[in-house]
This record gives sequence, C-alpha cells and structure tokens, in this order.
Amino acid sequence: DAGITQSPRYKITETGRQVTLMCHQTWSHSYMFWYRQDLGHGLRLIYYSAAADITDKGEVPDGYVVSRSKTENFPLTLESATRSQTSVYFCASSERIEQFFGPGTRLTVL
Amino acid sequence: GDSVTQMEGPVTLSEEAFLTINCTYTATGYPSLFWYVQYPGEGLQLLLKATKADDKGSNKGFEATYRKETTSFHLEKGSVQVSDSAVYFCALNAGNQFYFGTGTSLTVIP
Repeated sequence: DAGITQSPRYKITETGRQVTLMCHQTWSHSYMFWYRQDLGHGLRLIYYSAAADITDKGEVPDGYVVSRSKTENFPLTLESATRSQTSVYFCASSERIEQFFGPGTRLTVL
Repeated sequence: GDSVTQMEGPVTLSEEAFLTINCTYTATGYPSLFWYVQYPGEGLQLLLKATKADDKGSNKGFEATYRKETTSFHLEKGSVQVSDSAVYFCALNAGNQFYFGTGTSLTVIP
C-alpha cells in the first residue's frame, strides 16, 4: 500500500523490556520523524532523520534510539521501556513542505 | 525561537454554526503554514496549507489565510457538521523544522 505505515498498531510491554516500533513510507521522502503524543503535552518530537544514515535528536530523545539504514524505514527502539514511555507514537515523513503522518502506535508499558 | 500558539479548547458548537480557531506564529524567515486534523484513534491528516503571505488554503469548506502582518493563520468554516468533530492542529515549517500548536478539540452537536 502506498503511504506511511506503522507497526504494531497496539503494543503492551513490561518495564525494562526492549521494544521496537516500525515505520515505513513508500514515497521515498528524505525526511522522517518520530513524535509522541500525550494529553497535556501535544506532539513532541523524539528524533528525526534528514536522509539515510543521518539522524538527529528532537525535544525528548532520552530513552529512545533510532536508525535509518534505508530511506523508506525509520524504526524507533525503546532500549529499556519505562512507564513514562506509555504514549501514542506517530511517525511522519516529508519531502519539502508538509508532513504526512502514519496512523500511530499505542504503546502501554506496565 | 519559532513557535505556534493556537486557541485553547475545547470548543463546542451547534451544527451549521460558524467556526473560527485562532492561530498565531513566531518565525524568522518565511515559513509554510498548515492546519492538520486528527480524528479519534487516527493520525494527523493535512487539512490545508499556505506557503507564502496572502495565500489562502482551503479544503472541505475550511479556509485559512496566511497573514504576515498579523502573523496569523486562523482556521474558519462557515457551517460546521457533526463529522467535523476532531482535534485541529496549527503548524509551521521553517527550514524543515516543524512546530505544532497544542491542538484545539472541536465538538459539533446536532
């Protein structure tokens, strides 16, 4: 399917476990982004990438790791999940002007 | 730094009422401006955009005009429907750095 997809859509994990959220886009956009959305905080940027093998920190990067070996994929890893990382995670991509968002992953850390 | 400020919600309107959601921005240079809409359980969808001063973005009956003199990009719709109930985000892109407002929740009652 064309567009931007995220998997899984829902995930429940336990404190201390490693979790990887996947993001895939079919447009070959240069830029990709990870946000978290929490009540009272709006959208907060975790990491972004300007191209394959180029990543940079956003507003709230602590506890997260990203990689971008291929233009179309931008996985987000929580190395040791904490309860404060319970959130809805959105991936987005952009070429020049607007961003396009995926459907989100709802992550619960018990 | 660059930022977006939008009207606090929630906003509740009767069907066919006029909608205005205020958005102002702070940016150096000449940003592109956007309105995104988020329906429950979904990602953000681009509603409309404007890339230069005096541009009017429009889509699905919604409009917003890029006013450089007042640094504003207010969202308007002449007659809202129940199906417009969602959260609306104002955003700007300045050099591939994206900034989002905190979102305004709109509920339209029949």
